[in-house]
Amino acid sequence: EPEVTQTPSHQVTQMGQEVILRCVPISNHLYFYWYRQILGQKVEFLVSFYNNEISEKSEIFDDQFSVERPDGSNFTLKIRSTKLEDSAMYFCASKDRGYYEQYFGPGTRLTVT
Amino acid sequence: GEDVEQSLFLSVREGDSSVINCTYTDSSSTYLYWYKQEPGAGLQLLTYIFSNMDMKQDQRLTVLLNKKDKHLSLRIADTQTGDSAIYFCAESPTTSGTYKYIFGTGTRLKVLA
Repeated sequence: EPEVTQTPSHQVTQMGQEVILRCVPISNHLYFYWYRQILGQKVEFLVSFYNNEISEKSEIFDDQFSVERPDGSNFTLKIRSTKLEDSAMYFCASKDRGYYEQYFGPGTRLTVT
Repeated sequence: GEDVEQSLFLSVREGDSSVINCTYTDSSSTYLYWYKQEPGAGLQLLTYIFSNMDMKQDQRLTVLLNKKDKHLSLRIADTQTGDSAIYFCAESPTTSGTYKYIFGTGTRLKVLA
């Protein structure tokens, strides 16, 4: 069964460093998302991506964040200069056209020290 | 704005039924989802219902929707130890052109043998 994959499973970085979180969505899906979950809090929407551009972003998704689909398979989230409060679990999801349900990856736990 | 609320914990005995509750606030048509998260794993889609439906049954899972109170429940019949996980309720308003999700906090279900 096709699934969304994410790498790495855990990333530790120092404050101020850049990180890139990687996702491989399900191959025929056209809509891509990033969500994050700070420990003990809700899963929050960050950004949606369709047709090679951002279709919606939340207030959290400021200039420090960017997304890219560099080739036909990967979907990345870059945090330019990490802060302590960026420590969270980051989930990637994808959705097929004509369907509403999203399929999630296992997440990347980001720890900023 | 949109908000989704869940109780944080539920403990049941093996073989009993579990009922996990969720309330949402969005007044537009919406899809409502239940996801399961096991330790170290991603968000697994369990089932979903559209807001014009009252009920949906899928094997041991029953989703009930009270549209007037904007209350959603997930009933798991004959709960097993393998059902121990965090259960997330999420809504996706159809007015959102991006189909983004708004999640609840998740309910941690513990099944006692």
